[in-house]
Amino acid sequence: GQSLEQPSEVTAVEGAIVQINCTYQTSGFYGLSWYQQHDGGAPTFLSYNALDGLEETGRFSSFLSRSDSYGYLLLQELQMKDSASYFCAAPGAGSYQLTFGKGTKLSVIP
Amino acid sequence: DAGVIQSPRHEVTEMGQEVTLRCKPISGHNSLFWYRQTMMRGLELLIYFNNNVPIDDSGMPEDRFSAKMPNASFSTLKIQPSEPRDSAVYFCASSLEGRGGEQYFGPGTRLTVT
Repeated sequence: GQSLEQPSEVTAVEGAIVQINCTYQTSGFYGLSWYQQHDGGAPTFLSYNALDGLEETGRFSSFLSRSDSYGYLLLQELQMKDSASYFCAAPGAGSYQLTFGKGTKLSVIP
Repeated sequence: DAGVIQSPRHEVTEMGQEVTLRCKPISGHNSLFWYRQTMMRGLELLIYFNNNVPIDDSGMPEDRFSAKMPNASFSTLKIQPSEPRDSAVYFCASSLEGRGGEQYFGPGTRLTVT
């Protein structure tokens, strides 16, 4: 099975940088995904890391270290609209189903 | 592309009634997933299909739940009979085969069973 741990809440100031960590325990590891979900909305795909290192997509970056069973999502130049829940998730065997962490609720304050 | 389409968006029903949720995946995606989200349990995978075939239904809570995918563009999740503890948001998602890390979610169906 798979287990992913992430902080439940993070608060950061508008314009700042925030890092959301995720540690995982998996029976087989195929990569780490990140999803954003606004209140009342659906999860939205942000990034997927299959290999170690940093992947950058605009203001968002995602990092993976397979040897440490650890990854993070980095959000730069925070905006109020970034207030949402962020989930790390890991696909299982065959890269089909995802197991999600419990989510980190990010609050961006002025 | 219209994205994943789900209907209805909201459903309120009485305990014991049958509920059918519908999903149309993104055209060309051959993997389809049904999830349930609650505050207590978070996002849970109920079942997933690959090329219209159910691959793993171990997440389906009990026999009251069933899912079908008669063709590549349509899937249903049925609850019969419904119970108050089934109240949740049900999401359908789709992905390309072998790219389960990159899933695209529908807007969800908010189900309330009274």
